[in-house]
Amino acid sequence: KQEVTQIPAALSVPEGENLVLNCSFTDSAIYNLQWFRQDPGKGLTSLLLIQSSQREQTSGRLNASLDKSSGRSTLYIAASQPGDSATYLCAVRPNQAGTALIFGKGTTLSVSS
Amino acid sequence: DTEVTQTPKHLVMGMTNKKSLKCEQHMGHRAMYWYKQKAKKPPELMFVYSYEKLSINESVPSRFSPECPNSSLLNLHLHALQPEDSALYLCASSYPGLAGPKNIQYFGAGTRLSVL
Repeated sequence: KQEVTQIPAALSVPEGENLVLNCSFTDSAIYNLQWFRQDPGKGLTSLLLIQSSQREQTSGRLNASLDKSSGRSTLYIAASQPGDSATYLCAVRPNQAGTALIFGKGTTLSVSS
Repeated sequence: DTEVTQTPKHLVMGMTNKKSLKCEQHMGHRAMYWYKQKAKKPPELMFVYSYEKLSINESVPSRFSPECPNSSLLNLHLHALQPEDSALYLCASSYPGLAGPKNIQYFGAGTRLSVL
C-alpha cells in the first residue's frame, strides 16, 4: 500500500531564507506527483505537477524535483516571504487506472517578517 | 477558467437533518472527486466519478450518498450524520487519463460541515 511521508511536519524560518520541503513515497509505481498549498480552513491550490518521466518542474520561486527510483520529491522555495506561510501537501497518483491521489500529512510553514 | 465551485461554504446541521453539498466545474473535466479532511490531517478520498459513473467508493458509510447528475455537477447528499462527520469536504475535478499535463486535480474551496 502506497504511503506518503512529509518531513518536517512544521518549519519556521525568517523572511528571505531559501528552504526545502521533503516528501517520500513507498511505491515508485506512480504516474505523477503533485504539490499543493493549503491556507487554514481553505481548499487546496495546486502548485506544481511532476510527471513520472520528469525530474523537475519550476514555477516562479518554486522548484520541485522528483527521484522516482528512490521515492523522493523536494519542494524548494527561494527567498521565502510571509505570504508563503501555509501548509504544503505532497500527493502521488498511483499508476493504476481509476485511483486518485494519496496525500502526505503536510508541512506547515511559517515565515516571519 | 480553472475553478471548482463548492456550495455552501459553511453548513451546520443536526443529526436528523438531510442536506446536500454541491460542486460544479465548467472545465470539461470528466472525473470528479469527493474528499474529507479533518483538522490537521490530509484529505482522504471518499468517492470518484468518471464519466458520470461511480468508479471508486472508499467504503464510505451509506449516510453519505454521492450523485453526479451531469458532467459538470457533483452532489453529496447527507443524512443522519454523526458529530464525528464534522470536517472540511473538498471537491476536485480532473481530466481523466493516466498521464499528461492535463492530469491535474483542481480543488474547490471546500464546505466546512459541523454536525451537532
